[in-house]
Amino acid sequence: SQQGEEDPQALSIQEGENATMNCSYKTSINNLQWYRQNSGRGLVHLILIRSNEREKHSGRLRVTLDTSKKSSSLLITASRAADTASYFCAPVNNAGNMLTFGGGTRLMVKP
Amino acid sequence: EPEVTQTPSHQVTQMGQEVILRCVPISNHLYFYWYRQILGQKVEFLVSFYNNEISEKSEIFDDQFSVERPDGSNFTLKIRSTKLEDSAMYFCASSEGTYNEQFFGPGTRLTVL
Repeated sequence: SQQGEEDPQALSIQEGENATMNCSYKTSINNLQWYRQNSGRGLVHLILIRSNEREKHSGRLRVTLDTSKKSSSLLITASRAADTASYFCAPVNNAGNMLTFGGGTRLMVKP
Repeated sequence: EPEVTQTPSHQVTQMGQEVILRCVPISNHLYFYWYRQILGQKVEFLVSFYNNEISEKSEIFDDQFSVERPDGSNFTLKIRSTKLEDSAMYFCASSEGTYNEQFFGPGTRLTVL
């Protein structure tokens, strides 16, 4: 399947530190989207990166994409306690529009 | 900022009953989706809908499920005869076009007793 697999499964850091989460996928993609989910809540869209892009920024977020390695990373700089959440990558292939989610990375940012 | 809304936030039903979950997608979006998340598990795709037709569906989306856009604003998911295993959080999402960002609603927690 095309689902993204996030690594690590869990990450615990101190406030102010940077957090890096990785995503791997299996087949060629049209784009890859990153989402955040607070416990029991909805999914918040963070960034979409297209297959012809290598890097994208949004505020404290930086996403990279390496299509040759079929991998992406999400970097959160200067983390805050409010960043505590699960983070998911969802690759989208050219055959369809559906998002396929992995198990996510559970990030805990300690104050 | 426009957002996807869903009602109700929590629905409790008896096994075998029909339920309808409602969503109002972002107004200029053309593609609509339903996903579900069983407690503690991954978010799973159910169905996508465009131009009043289902464009994709997963194996989960069997004959017990149906979707409809009854008017210009609502998008509904109907489960005809609920089972215990249908208990989950159901998320609606919408996007402007193919291969665009999908924006999710807050979800409806369905509990089947």
